[in-house]
Amino acid sequence: DGGITQSPKYLFRKEGQNVTLSCEQNLNHDAMYWYRQDPGQGLRLIYYSQIVNDFQKGDIAEGYSVSREKKESFPLTVTSAQKNPTAFYLCASSIWGQVPEPQHFGDGTRLSIL
Amino acid sequence: GNSVTQMEGPVTLSEEAFLTINCTYTATGYPSLFWYVQYPGEGLQLLLKATKADDKGSNKGFEATYRKETTSFHLEKGSVQVSDSAVYFCALGNTGNQFYFGTGTSLTVIP
Repeated sequence: DGGITQSPKYLFRKEGQNVTLSCEQNLNHDAMYWYRQDPGQGLRLIYYSQIVNDFQKGDIAEGYSVSREKKESFPLTVTSAQKNPTAFYLCASSIWGQVPEPQHFGDGTRLSIL
Repeated sequence: GNSVTQMEGPVTLSEEAFLTINCTYTATGYPSLFWYVQYPGEGLQLLLKATKADDKGSNKGFEATYRKETTSFHLEKGSVQVSDSAVYFCALGNTGNQFYFGTGTSLTVIP
């Protein structure tokens, strides 16, 4: 079955450490997205990518970085510059077209500070 | 600009009760509208969608109608079940595949 795989499910970060969250999709979607979800809040866009080797900042990109070297993969790095990284991180993908297509989501990675 | 406002929860209903979760939006252009559902510890799953005014999206007994005159997309279900307990998100998709999500409404259905 096609879908989006995020790993790991749980991740712990030490002070001053960078950590990378994995997101892989086999839906052949052009567009991929990273969102942050905090308790009781909606989703906030961190970064998105329409095509390979191109990505754009979302609303809360500071302290995060991404790469898009392959169509299937869109890893997110949470850097030490992100002072409040504890959250639930969701990766999504969609067809990129004139009419907005639904985003498909992975099961998320929960990041906590040690 | 683009934004989505949905009713705050939590909402608690008895099994077989009628459900309405209100959602209103502001948008430029001609957005598509979506409802997503999130179960504990999981990602969001698409529940239903509507791509133009007066479209009705439906799935698993849930329905929502795209009302341009009232800029609304309220989610309804005639008879909820315990298994419907989850968080529901209203979302807007606009030009450039930009998505805007509401803050979510938590629903608990008690037997």
